[in-house]
Amino acid sequence: TQLLEQSPQFLSIQEGENLTVYCNSSSVFSSLQWYRQEPGEGPVLLVTVVTGGEVKKLKRLTFQFGDARKDSSLHITAAQPGDTGLYLCAGAPGNQFYFGTGTSLTVIP
Amino acid sequence: NAGVTQTPKFQVLKTGQSMTLQCAQDMNHNSMYWYRQDPGMGLRLIYYSASEGTTDKGEVPNGYNVSRLNKREFSLRLESAAPSQTSVYFCASSEVGPSGRWVFGPGTRLTVL
Repeated sequence: TQLLEQSPQFLSIQEGENLTVYCNSSSVFSSLQWYRQEPGEGPVLLVTVVTGGEVKKLKRLTFQFGDARKDSSLHITAAQPGDTGLYLCAGAPGNQFYFGTGTSLTVIP
Repeated sequence: NAGVTQTPKFQVLKTGQSMTLQCAQDMNHNSMYWYRQDPGMGLRLIYYSASEGTTDKGEVPNGYNVSRLNKREFSLRLESAAPSQTSVYFCASSEVGPSGRWVFGPGTRLTVL
């Protein structure tokens, strides 16, 4: 049983489109992270959110932590080919992070 | 500043062989971790070390041992490799606290025949 469910599992969109990726759980998290991973490389941390309802922006990426601290979303505006990769969320119900299975995003030029 | 380094990058073992995966970080982080990544499973925590001198089991510790050699180095040992341990292994380190910076290494791709 996966602690964190990510949706969609795969996403293929045209350059310039907007998209949202979801990370859901029945557990409450003290903090939640989002990573991007490219083929053959380790995950790279994009953001950490710790407060329910928190919204963080990183250029064209907007991250939101649910009010109940059980879910999160990642919204990308005007996607670019450089956004292509595997997006992973990781939540810490205690002092360790558990990862979702990821959303594989392909942005077509 | 190299971040987190892992050796080797690739390894092929036969069932029953042993090996040690090496990990080192140069960011003065207290905590270090070993994860494995399998298709459709995400990353799963094998072992972690919250600080020098301590180690604890994660989600999938069976078949593995670890050593926190010093603050910089954290090794993962497979005593008797099995095909189920075929995976990509990632080492990570982090600063203390929920908002602490996390850094992953480039991974070791292990195949057990």
